Parts: sequence; structure tokens; C-alpha cells
Amino acid sequence: EVQLVESGGGLVQPGGSLRLSCAAAGFTFNTYDMHWVRQVKGKSLEWVSGIGTAGDTFYPDSVKGRFTISRENAKNSLFLQMNSLKAGDTAVYYCARGTYCSSDGCYTKGMSFDIWGRGTEVTVSA
Amino acid sequence: DIQMTQSPSTLSASIGDRVTITCRASQSISDSLAWYQQKPGKAPKLLIYKASSLESGVPSRFSGSGSGSDFTLTISSLQPDDFATYHCQHYSSHSYTFGQGTKVEIK
Repeated sequence: EVQLVESGGGLVQPGGSLRLSCAAAGFTFNTYDMHWVRQVKGKSLEWVSGIGTAGDTFYPDSVKGRFTISRENAKNSLFLQMNSLKAGDTAVYYCARGTYCSSDGCYTKGMSFDIWGRGTEVTVSA
Repeated sequence: DIQMTQSPSTLSASIGDRVTITCRASQSISDSLAWYQQKPGKAPKLLIYKASSLESGVPSRFSGSGSGSDFTLTISSLQPDDFATYHCQHYSSHSYTFGQGTKVEIK
């Protein structure tokens, strides 16, 4: 079964750090771009980082310089290192699968996210 | 940055109704638009990509249309399982933007 399972969320003080993990199963992890998307309770979704199959990384301005996305293909794992956390970073963080890329090229479903994990909750509070 | 505006924010409908949700981009985005369904406490589920392509396994009562800056998600006959929040999403220049969501409630 294709699945993503996040872990590592919890309560952290403002200014603190947290490292989220996402374990992938049921597909060839190293052939997909991977992403983190967060959702403040009751609010909409916000993309917070992406990493390509070649390890290229992308961030929105809201987290650039504070968050670092990485992947360990040998362990089918995705990570998000979050530093200098603020109250506004409080949210459920989802791991999501993006574009498929092989040696023959990339196939994208319109740059959408077709598989999502159940999320891990991060609370930044004193 | 391109902004995505969904309307309405909340929609009340009955079983069997035809439901239409709109997503408007602040500038033309070709067909670079996806739609997701999200139920409370659950992750989003991809319904439509490239504005009108139905994701595998999604019921055919869901359809997407539009190009340029105006897009719609249509549910042809609302079913009990369809009461949820729907989000649109756009990609441009290594950045992904979501709409604010539309909650479909029971009338």
C-alpha cells in the first residue's frame, strides 16, 4: 500500500527547534519530488517546502532560512528541520508526494500532490 | 505572487444537488490547477489535476473545468460522502498556492 507516515511533532517553545520525519512505503521513493504542507487549525493549506529527486530544495519566504527539507532515499525518508520556531508555525504538518521523475523524464499531475500522510501536529507555545 | 480566491466560503446543499465551486487566480495560470477534498481530521485527497483531469479512483460525479484565471469544480449529484471542505491549488515558479477553501455543508 502506498502510504506516508509523519512523526516528530509536539510542543516546543518559541525560538526552539523540531525535526519532523516522514516514512514512505509502497512506491519508489527516490523517483518522486516530496513536499511538506501545513494547515493551521480551521484554516487553509500552506506549502512550506519541497525537495526534488536530485536534492534541489524550495521554500516560500515565510520559512526560508528557518526550515530545511532533506531526504534519505536509502531509508525512504523525508525530513523537515524547523528552527527559530514562532507561534505562527503552530499547525498540522503533512508530508505529500509530488512529481514523478525517472531517467526518461518527469511526469507531473499538473504539479499537484497525489499522496498525503495523516499529518503530525506542531504546537509552538511558551 | 499569484493569489487564489475561492467562492463561496461556505455552501449549503442537499443530497442530489448539483454543486459548483469557483477558484479565481489573480492572473492567468493556464491549466495549472488542482482540486482537493478534505474531511475533518483527515489529510487532503486529490480529486482533479491540470484543471480537468480526474484522479484515478475519484467518482465521475466530480469534474473540473476552466483555464486562464477562472476555474470550477462541479459535483453533479451531491452524495453524503461529499460533505467536506474543498481546496484549489496552483503551482508557479517553484511555489505552490492554495485557495482558502470552500466548506460544503448539509442544508
